Amino acid sequence: NAGVMQNPRHLVRRRGQEARLRCSPMKGHSHVYWYRQLPEEGLKFMVYLQKENIIDESGMPKERFSAEFPKEGPSILRIQQVVRGDSAAYFCASSIVGYEQYFGPGTRLTVT
Amino acid sequence: QKEVEQDPGPLSVPEGAIVSLNCTYSNSAFQYFMWYRQYSRKGPELLMYTYSSGNKEDGRFTAQVDKSSKYISLFIRDSQPSDSATYLCAIGPGGTGNQFYFGTGTSLTVIP
Repeated sequence: NAGVMQNPRHLVRRRGQEARLRCSPMKGHSHVYWYRQLPEEGLKFMVYLQKENIIDESGMPKERFSAEFPKEGPSILRIQQVVRGDSAAYFCASSIVGYEQYFGPGTRLTVT
Repeated sequence: QKEVEQDPGPLSVPEGAIVSLNCTYSNSAFQYFMWYRQYSRKGPELLMYTYSSGNKEDGRFTAQVDKSSKYISLFIRDSQPSDSATYLCAIGPGGTGNQFYFGTGTSLTVIP
């Protein structure tokens, strides 16, 4: 059983461009969480989704950030008009019931 | 006050030592307690998961939860160099929220 997949693993964007991060959950998992991790900081919750529904987006910045988890295909975290402060590692985690979360390898976003 | 506090270390122990890692939390409504191990530039790996007070053992790892003190611990027996990593506690959800709160991580080095 493949684990949580994330792509790309590394993403470089210039300021003002859009970043699109993808997460394919483990087979049978319908819950997805997105986190951001900055150096020397813990994982910060961004958004919690189930198939076709955003359950909790209280950790997501109100502007430029959006997330979706369509009926078919991976979950997408989209960052529009990226700024240098968006540079971080972004992790997604999947779960069957929303508690035991299994993480992907992360996408490292660098904004130049 | 942060939802979860974790001593960042770093912690350095000789091979074979018993390691104790700890977190405190602020919200008595939190119900689920997890420990993750994260190697450098990798995604967190779920080690232990529990939702009740008391001890849970899995091989060389023991997770302990004291809800009355809002204090959780992870013990590693017979530590190995391969245990060298950053250990993260994750606690939640509580009340009407859905998110988990992560500690900043404790860096552990086991010296051969």
